[in-house]
Amino acid sequence: EVQLVESGGGLVQPGRSLKLSCAASGFTFSNYGMAWVRQTPTKGLEWVASISTGGGNTYYRDSVKGRFTISRDNAKNTQYLQMDSLRSEDTATYYCARRTPFLDAWGQGASVTVSS
Amino acid sequence: DIRMTQSPASLSASLGETVNIECLASEDIYSDLAWYQQKPGKSPQLLIYNANSLQNGVPSRFSGSGSGTQYSLKINSLQSEDVATYFCQQYNNYPLTFGSGTKLEIK
Repeated sequence: EVQLVESGGGLVQPGRSLKLSCAASGFTFSNYGMAWVRQTPTKGLEWVASISTGGGNTYYRDSVKGRFTISRDNAKNTQYLQMDSLRSEDTATYYCARRTPFLDAWGQGASVTVSS
Repeated sequence: DIRMTQSPASLSASLGETVNIECLASEDIYSDLAWYQQKPGKSPQLLIYNANSLQNGVPSRFSGSGSGTQYSLKINSLQSEDVATYFCQQYNNYPLTFGSGTKLEIK
């Protein structure tokens, strides 16, 4: 069974950093591209970033470019989202997803709240 | 960016009815279109990909159609477990973009 489990969410002050992790199991992690998608009640679902199978290609939405970094460790079956210079508008539930190129498996989500 | 305009925003239908949800892309996305179902408090789940291919394990009462810029999701014989919010998403081009969602309720 494909499983994606996010961790690392929480409450953080504006301007600070947070790192999300997504542990994958039930499939050959290194064979799949991965992505992060976030959701808020007001903006709905927003794609955040994607990474290729080997990690050599990464893609970001404009609003997080230069602040967020997606990465992966295929030996640990884990992908990451390093979030720096966080803003209140980054407050959301962040989902890890497998990209095939649609999103055919999702984690349960990690809540990130950016507030002083 | 490709804008995905989804309609209606909400929908109320009776058990056993057939419902349709529409998604209009701002440019041709060449059937690179997926539909997701999100039940309250849960993460989205893939229903349809490539506009009309049913994901493994999804009931056959769900179907997708369309091409170019116009796509639709059809749910036949509505069941109580279909209460959810449904989203379309294009994956033809970055940034990946989603429709705003259709909240489906039972009358």
